Amino acid sequence: QVQLQLWGAGLLKPSETLSLTCSVSGGSFSAFYWIWIRQPPGKGLEWLGESNHGGRPKYNPSLKSRVIISVDMSKKQFSLNLSSVTAADTAVYYCARRDLPAASPFDDWAQGTLVTVSS
Amino acid sequence: SYVLTQPPSVSVAPGQTARITCGGNNIGGKSVNWYQQKPGQAPVLVVYDDADRPSGIPERFSGSNSGNTATLTITRVEAGDEADYYCQVWDSSSEYVFGTGTEVTVL
Repeated sequence: QVQLQLWGAGLLKPSETLSLTCSVSGGSFSAFYWIWIRQPPGKGLEWLGESNHGGRPKYNPSLKSRVIISVDMSKKQFSLNLSSVTAADTAVYYCARRDLPAASPFDDWAQGTLVTVSS
Repeated sequence: SYVLTQPPSVSVAPGQTARITCGGNNIGGKSVNWYQQKPGQAPVLVVYDDADRPSGIPERFSGSNSGNTATLTITRVEAGDEADYYCQVWDSSSEYVFGTGTEVTVL
């Protein structure tokens, strides 16, 4: 049974860079895509982007210029960096995984972490 | 971009059937996944590929998809089914899209 554990800074000031890392244990790392999703307080879910061990990330076009997703296969970790944050980036951030076919569901999620952007 | 529309809320009495719709342009041609999210928790996959259930999900949860509407059906609703539910698809242009979410209230 795979387990995903997420950590990173929970309070940022505007214009800083959000950095989160998700660690994977108990399962294969190379056979999946690794995903970042967020949920602003009281709102719905938003896919931010994904990558796999081959390092070919895809990003939500609404964030593409600010987001970087990287994968460290040796540590079985993947990371999210979101630059120039504003209050609109305040959200619970989740990491998740999906199988290789593009239409595969997100079948395992980490417990999310709240990131607050405030001056 | 591809848009998925869900009703904001659905109310159902215990033991009855809840139906949650997800509308999208020709969604019947896509594979729809459904997630259940309880307060303070991460979403949990309850139906994938329109109508399949992950292991551990009760048979009371079922899905269908045709035309411009996908539907998640919960039969014999229990108090523990009270949650937000989201549909989700992959679209070749928009990548991964979530529906607007439906809050299910058990009366």
